[in-house]
Amino acid sequence: EAGVAQSPRYKIIEKRQSVAFWCNPISGHATLYWYQQILGQGPKLLIQFQNNGVVDDSQLPKDRFSAERLKGVDSTLKIQPAKLEDSAVYLCASSLEGSTEAFFGQGTRLTVV
Amino acid sequence: KQEVTQIPAALSVPEGENLVLNCSFTDSAIYNLQWFRQDPGKGLTSLLLIQSSQREQTSGRLNASLDKSSGRSTLYIAASQPGDSATYLCAVRSNYQLIWGAGTKLIIKP
Repeated sequence: EAGVAQSPRYKIIEKRQSVAFWCNPISGHATLYWYQQILGQGPKLLIQFQNNGVVDDSQLPKDRFSAERLKGVDSTLKIQPAKLEDSAVYLCASSLEGSTEAFFGQGTRLTVV
Repeated sequence: KQEVTQIPAALSVPEGENLVLNCSFTDSAIYNLQWFRQDPGKGLTSLLLIQSSQREQTSGRLNASLDKSSGRSTLYIAASQPGDSATYLCAVRSNYQLIWGAGTKLIIKP
């Protein structure tokens, strides 16, 4: 069974530039999560989708971050414009509907310079 | 508000030793607790998931315990190996959210 796929693996951008990350969850997983993990900290939930609807985006900085999951399968997370403090690993995870066990991708390491 | 703490932040032990990693949480109303492993530059790998009704789970050399009343979980690693070197994170599911600790960075010295 294929796992959660994320791309790119690494990205370096200058502040004020835009960046987008892509995630393809495990087939059949209705729930998709985006997390931000700053070095030395645990992951922080940015947004949770159930199919193509948003369940929780309370910690998403909506002035610069956006995410979509238009067809209820893969998802993109965008940052526009990026700030230095956005440097982190962005993790995507998915789970079956009603399950409390999430499976994680390898993450995208973003460096903003 | 649920808070999860992991102590110590870093641990270095010689190969072959048995060791215990600690995780504590402030609100005992949890659905489950999960231990993850994170290797540098990689994502998270789930190690063990303990439901709120369970006391422990075992997988190979790993054993995780859960004491909801005291708000504690431990991850026991037997006969540690250099390949066990990684960061170990615990996360509790509370109110349909995963609340994470900051992790314990484990180094096993050959």
